[in-house]
Parts: sequence; C-alpha cells; structure tokens
Amino acid sequence: AQSVTQLGSHVSVSEGALVLLRCNYSSSVPPYLFWYVQYPNQGLQLLLKYTSAATLVKGINGFEAEFKKSETSFHLTKPSAHMSDAAEYFCAVSDQGAQKLVFGQGTRLTINP
Amino acid sequence: ETGVTQTPRHLVMGMTNKKSLKCEQHLGHNAMYWYKQSAKKPLELMFVYNFKEQTENNSVPSRFSPECPNSSHLFLHLHTLQPEDSALYLCASSQGPWAEQDTQYFGPGTRLTVL
Repeated sequence: AQSVTQLGSHVSVSEGALVLLRCNYSSSVPPYLFWYVQYPNQGLQLLLKYTSAATLVKGINGFEAEFKKSETSFHLTKPSAHMSDAAEYFCAVSDQGAQKLVFGQGTRLTINP
Repeated sequence: ETGVTQTPRHLVMGMTNKKSLKCEQHLGHNAMYWYKQSAKKPLELMFVYNFKEQTENNSVPSRFSPECPNSSHLFLHLHTLQPEDSALYLCASSQGPWAEQDTQYFGPGTRLTVL
C-alpha cells in the first residue's frame, strides 16, 4: 500500500526566502507523484506532477519538485516566497495512474512580510 | 463555465434532512470522484466512477449515495447524516483509467455542516 508523509504541518518563511516543503512517499511500484495547493475556501489546484519522465519537475507559480528515488522523496521548492503563496499544500502518490490518489496530511505555508 | 463546478458551495442540514450535492465537469473527462476533507485528516477518497460506472467505493456508509447519470455530472445524495459527517466534500475529474499520465482536477468543494 502507498503512503505519504509530509514533514511539518506548518511552515513559516519570510517573503523572498526559500520555500521547502517536504514529502516522503512509500510505494511498491514506480509512483506517480503530485503536489496540489489549496487556497482558503477553494478546492485543490494542481501545482505539478511527476510521472517517470524528468526527475526535476517544474510547475506553476515558480514551484518545482525533484523526485529522488533513493530517498523516496518529492520535496517542493520555490526560490523566493511571495505573499500570495500562503496556502495549504498537499503531496499525493498513486501507483495506478491517478485513479487512487493517497494524500499526505498537508502543510500550511505562512509567509511573513 | 470551465473546469469542475460544485453546487451548493455551502450547505447546512439537520440529521433528518435529505439533500444532494452536485458536481459538473466541463473538461470532457470520463472519470469522476468524490472526496471528503475533514479537519486534521488527509483527504479521503469516497467513490470513483469511470464512464458512468462506479468502480470504487471506499467503505463509505450507505447514508451517502452517489449517482452518475453521465460522464459530466456526479451527485452525492445525503440522508440521515451525523454531525461527524460535517466536512468539505470535493469533486474531481480526470481523463480516465486508460489515459497516459492521468491527472485529477478538483472543484471548489461544498462545505457541509450537519446539525
């Protein structure tokens, strides 16, 4: 069975600082990995996805994530945080296309001015 | 309308009421999903429909009854709910099980409060 662990339920960074949100997964087969963002009172928006092509994946809003098989990780980064990045971020894994997504607990990102 | 829409956005109901949540996707997808998002818990997959047929029921109580009349519409009928059913209910759609690199796209959700 797959699982996802997001380290840190709450991350706080200063505006302009590096954003690093951690995600580790467990999967018995090559995984598909996703990052979604949820702004207050909204649904989930796809940020980026890894589906066995390039290990460094670029997404929307300046975010990127690197798939590291040896570390079973898929951490999300952004070089310079913006106030509009404040939201909840979810990592998800699937091993059968995207039909059975397993989500992490989520990380709430706060940006300090 | 674009993407995935859900109505109503907010719903308050008593435990004896019957109500329905509606989801519509405008993406030409063949798969639709219901998720439950409760505070302090990960998103839980409830149901999956492919080409209008239910292919996944994640041990959901029978007080939740899904309906998928066509590939664009998905309903969740609610009856005799419990206060612990209060949550954000999210609908999603995707191309379907045979699509390469299939990806789920989510609606804005319905915030349900059961009194």
